[in-house]
Amino acid sequence: AQKITQTQPGMFVQEKEAVTLDCTYDTSDPSYGLFWYKQPSSGEMIFLIYQGSYDQQNATEGRYSLNFQKARKSANLVISASQLGDSAMYFCAMRGSLGGTSYGKLTFGQGTILTVHP
Amino acid sequence: NAGVTQTPKFRVLKTGQSMTLLCAQDMNHEYMYWYRQDPGMGLRLIHYSVGEGTTAKGEVPDGYNVSRLKKQNFLLGLESAAPSQTSVYFCASSRYQETQYFGPGTRLLVL
Repeated sequence: AQKITQTQPGMFVQEKEAVTLDCTYDTSDPSYGLFWYKQPSSGEMIFLIYQGSYDQQNATEGRYSLNFQKARKSANLVISASQLGDSAMYFCAMRGSLGGTSYGKLTFGQGTILTVHP
Repeated sequence: NAGVTQTPKFRVLKTGQSMTLLCAQDMNHEYMYWYRQDPGMGLRLIHYSVGEGTTAKGEVPDGYNVSRLKKQNFLLGLESAAPSQTSVYFCASSRYQETQYFGPGTRLLVL
């Protein structure tokens, strides 16, 4: 079974500062994928970034980077230079092995609400 | 290119009524998924499909049925709605087991 834990129900950050959203995971799969999604107040789920368990380098997408520490089973999202539009709920999610019987199913954490202050 | 669309956006049902939620994708994705989102919880998988004509149960399938008669459509049915099915329903699609892209969601209220 897979489990995702997001221990921060809410986070606050000042505009233009960096913020780290925590995510830890547990799985017995030999390979897996980790995702972050953003859910603004409008409700849609927006894909932000992906990290494969065998990727040598941490993933980056613009102002988003994923701090992947495999030994600690953590996949924290770092948002640099926060903007007011970053205020949203953020979900960490995991997928099991590609080609396996998980069929790409995602297991989600409970989410972290990020508020960016001007 | 609309991506993933969901119909309707919002619906109110009375206990015992039935309804069908429609998900459509125009990305030619093989895999499609239905999730529900409840307050204070992340998304939970209801049912999924790995191709036209196939469906399988997810984590919380009870009270729901699905069909995938066409590759681009994935239907979620509630035969006899219950208040516990009040939720926001999301459909997602992916190219095989790659990144999932989500629809805008359907808010369902069961009275």
